[in-house]
Amino acid sequence: NAGVTQTPKFRVLKTGQSMTLLCAQDMNHEYMYWYRQDPGMGLRLIHYSVGEGTTAKGEVPDGYNVSRLKKQNFLLGLESAAPSQTSVYFCASRHQTGNSYEQYFGPGTRLTVT
Amino acid sequence: SQQGEEDPQALSIQEGENATMNCSYKTSINNLQWYRQNSGRGLVHLILIRSNEREKHSGRLRVTLDTSKKSSSLLITASRAADTASYFCATPLRSNDYKLSFGAGTTVTVRA
Repeated sequence: NAGVTQTPKFRVLKTGQSMTLLCAQDMNHEYMYWYRQDPGMGLRLIHYSVGEGTTAKGEVPDGYNVSRLKKQNFLLGLESAAPSQTSVYFCASRHQTGNSYEQYFGPGTRLTVT
Repeated sequence: SQQGEEDPQALSIQEGENATMNCSYKTSINNLQWYRQNSGRGLVHLILIRSNEREKHSGRLRVTLDTSKKSSSLLITASRAADTASYFCATPLRSNDYKLSFGAGTTVTVRA
């Protein structure tokens, strides 16, 4: 099992450009999440999904959109990148049921917006 | 806003020593988790403690939870260079929520 994978690993964008970050998981998890991590701060939740075809806003959703067309994939889009979106982005997933609340994380995407 | 806060922000210890870090949170929870993040990598789940547990062990890790003080501690015994990492506590945003709130983390450096 690959677990949670993210592409790309690194990206540099110019202000105003758009891009999509892809997250894929092979654990048949229902829940998926997108976080951003900035220096000196914990992870902040951008958007999340509780199942295929559903998405919801997290703490810091402005400037981002998401889609979950397939259960295994969760896409994060930046329509018009801004320097404030320079960050490391992490995707995570977990099972819906059971007593395990553990989230599984991908390796991250380092995005720089100039 | 962040639910949990770790203390200290950074910790430097000698190999073989113990490392202790604390987490305080604001609202009632039914569980608390600790994660580790090595430099340049994603977070890895270490241990979960439920609200009806006071202490839990996993290998060289010992976690305590004091719900009356809304605090938890993570102890790493006999530290190794490989323990150099950032450690985060995570709590549900609401009592039984599937969304987590992460603290800013404690950066632990283990010197050889």
